[in-house]
Amino acid sequence: QSVLTQPPSVSGAPGQRVTISCTGSSSDIGAGFDVHWYQQLPGTAPKCLIFGNNNRPSGVPDRFSGSKSGTSASLAITGLQAEDEADYYCQSYDSSLSAVVFGGGTKLTVL
Amino acid sequence: EVQLVESGGGLVQPGGSLRLSCKASGFTFMYYSMNWVRQAPGKGLEWVSYISSSSTMIYYADSVRGRFTISRDNAKNSLYLQMNSLRAEDTAVYYCAREVGGSYYFDHWGQGALVTVSS
Repeated sequence: QSVLTQPPSVSGAPGQRVTISCTGSSSDIGAGFDVHWYQQLPGTAPKCLIFGNNNRPSGVPDRFSGSKSGTSASLAITGLQAEDEADYYCQSYDSSLSAVVFGGGTKLTVL
Repeated sequence: EVQLVESGGGLVQPGGSLRLSCKASGFTFMYYSMNWVRQAPGKGLEWVSYISSSSTMIYYADSVRGRFTISRDNAKNSLYLQMNSLRAEDTAVYYCAREVGGSYYFDHWGQGALVTVSS
């Protein structure tokens, strides 16, 4: 069982907007630790998509955005494309565990 | 270009040992903290261990503490994970990942090394 909670799956048609939630607690997201998001395409290593809650690394399209509020965070993807079909993971730090923690992952299906 | 290349994975019997390596290139390795993250087949990501740039700080997940040892050789631009007393539940792809300065996030990942623990 993951420390951060994500929906197992989300889906959307090309061009639509989808959001993926990430719920934590007072010892991780709620304690002020940043949330980061990773995209994992099938058969490949994870890739950083959003860091520091809402920052995109160079090369990541601005269709991807992140936000954080209280003990939760969200990843939004606009203008959905077939190539966005992947697994998405949120990640933070938990002070009570003294450990990096991940969400269980969300599989995005582009219909 | 930043590159992280893992090696040393394979099939090992329960109770056995294995040592993973991660060779870094394209950046000044000695300036960065490094981590190991694993992913069991069909499952999510699990953080395993952290080592600071000068090896002064080391942390482990509860699931591997006492069995795994992380280390690094800055002269060889290499990160290691010594895994002892391996269990079936340690079966996973192990990724080395570069951490951005105390931020608790990973900006570059290796391609992964598969470790299979089975008799």
